[in-house]
Amino acid sequence: AQSVTQLGSHVSVSEGALVLLRCNYSSSVPPYLFWYVQYPNQGLQLLLKYTSAATLVKGINGFEAEFKKSETSFHLTKPSAHMSDAAEYFCAVSDRNTGRRALTFGSGTRLQVQP
Amino acid sequence: DSGVTQTPKHLITATGQRVTLRCSPRSGDLSVYWYQQSLDQGLQFLIQYYNGEERAKGNILERFSAQQFPDLHSELNLSSLELGDSALYFCASSVEGSGYTFGSGTRLTVV
Repeated sequence: AQSVTQLGSHVSVSEGALVLLRCNYSSSVPPYLFWYVQYPNQGLQLLLKYTSAATLVKGINGFEAEFKKSETSFHLTKPSAHMSDAAEYFCAVSDRNTGRRALTFGSGTRLQVQP
Repeated sequence: DSGVTQTPKHLITATGQRVTLRCSPRSGDLSVYWYQQSLDQGLQFLIQYYNGEERAKGNILERFSAQQFPDLHSELNLSSLELGDSALYFCASSVEGSGYTFGSGTRLTVV
């Protein structure tokens, strides 16, 4: 079964600093990978997704993620944090081969941005 | 507005009761997924429907059931509710092989 591990349940950065949120997946074949953001009292918004094209994926709001098969990782980065980036971020995976398309989510990382 | 509509937004009910949550998928999306988000379990996949038929089951309790109607809207039925069923319930829709669009959720509180 697929699983996703997000290292660090809380990450705090200063405004303008690099954001790095870590995600590792466990799957026998490279899956589809996603990053979602959840603002307080809201639903999940797709930031970006990897479906086997370019390994460096650019998303919305200046975020990007790089798929590294050798490391089974899909870390999310943003060069310069804004106060508005404070939210919870979820990495998710779905199986491209079995037809099981439901997402398996990581436990989430809460990002705090300090002024 | 994501295009996925969930009603109601909030629901407060007593233990032992039954509730129905509704989801209208984005136009053109045939798949509907239900997820439960709670503090202790995180985001858990419950069940998927595709064009009216059940496609996959996740960690869905026997007290819970769902269906998808010919107009593609879906309903999640939760019965014999317990305090531990209090959670955010999300619906997502997708075109197969593509991304998933989530609704804003229904917050269920069981008292």
